[in-house]
Amino acid sequence: DTEVTQTPKHLVMGMTNKKSLKCEQHMGHRAMYWYKQKAKKPPELMFVYSYEKLSINESVPSRFSPECPNSSLLNLHLHALQPEDSALYLCASSSGGGRDQYFGPGTRLTVT
Amino acid sequence: DQQVKQNSPSLSVQEGRISILNCDYTNSMFDYFLWYKKYPAEGPTFLISISSIKDKNEDGRFTVFLNKSAKHLSLHIVPSQPGDSAVYFCAASAQGAGSYQLTFGKGTKLSVIP
Repeated sequence: DTEVTQTPKHLVMGMTNKKSLKCEQHMGHRAMYWYKQKAKKPPELMFVYSYEKLSINESVPSRFSPECPNSSLLNLHLHALQPEDSALYLCASSSGGGRDQYFGPGTRLTVT
Repeated sequence: DQQVKQNSPSLSVQEGRISILNCDYTNSMFDYFLWYKKYPAEGPTFLISISSIKDKNEDGRFTVFLNKSAKHLSLHIVPSQPGDSAVYFCAASAQGAGSYQLTFGKGTKLSVIP
C-alpha cells in the first residue's frame, strides 16, 4: 500500500479565513513533506518533517504553519493567505532511510 | 539556474511503440533519480527510481537508464498505452542532508495516440 491521503480535495477561502489542510499515511514512513504546485510548473518544496521534527523550511511565509501531530499525520495551517497562494498543495512521504517519495492527490486551494 | 532539465515539453507516440523521455542534470552531487507521472489536478505518481551506482533499472513496461558521464537519464515505456498519456517529471536528489529535497524538471507531456 503506497497511499497518501489528503483532505479536503478542494478548498476556497477568503484572505481573512483560517483553514487547515490534512495529510495521512499508513506506510510507516518517517519523513513527510508539503509541496506547492502552480499550473504547468513542477512541485516546489515547502516543508520537511523527519521523525516528527521540522527539518527543512524553505523560507515559506509565516502565513503557512505546518504541524506534525504524529508519525502518520501532517497538517498545514493557513491564515491570512493571498490570492497568489492559490495552487495545488501536495503532501508526500518517504521511509526514514528511503528516498522514494510518494505523493497524495493534493488539495486544490483557491484564495479569493 | 535549472539543475534538472527536460528539454522536450511534449512528445507524441503511437500506441504500442516505445516512448523515450529524456532528462539532463548539471549538479554532480545528485546521486538518486526518480520519474513521476502526473495527470491534471492530481498528485504525481511515483514510477521508478535509480541510484547512481546503477546504470539501468527496470519495472514492468518502464525502464530508466542513467549515463553518469553525460549527466543524462531517460525513461523508456514499452509498449506505450493510451493510459500513459500524462505529464512526466524527472527529479533528482543529492546525498547527505539534501537527500530529502527533490529537484524537479519542468516535465514532458506525453500523448499516446491510439
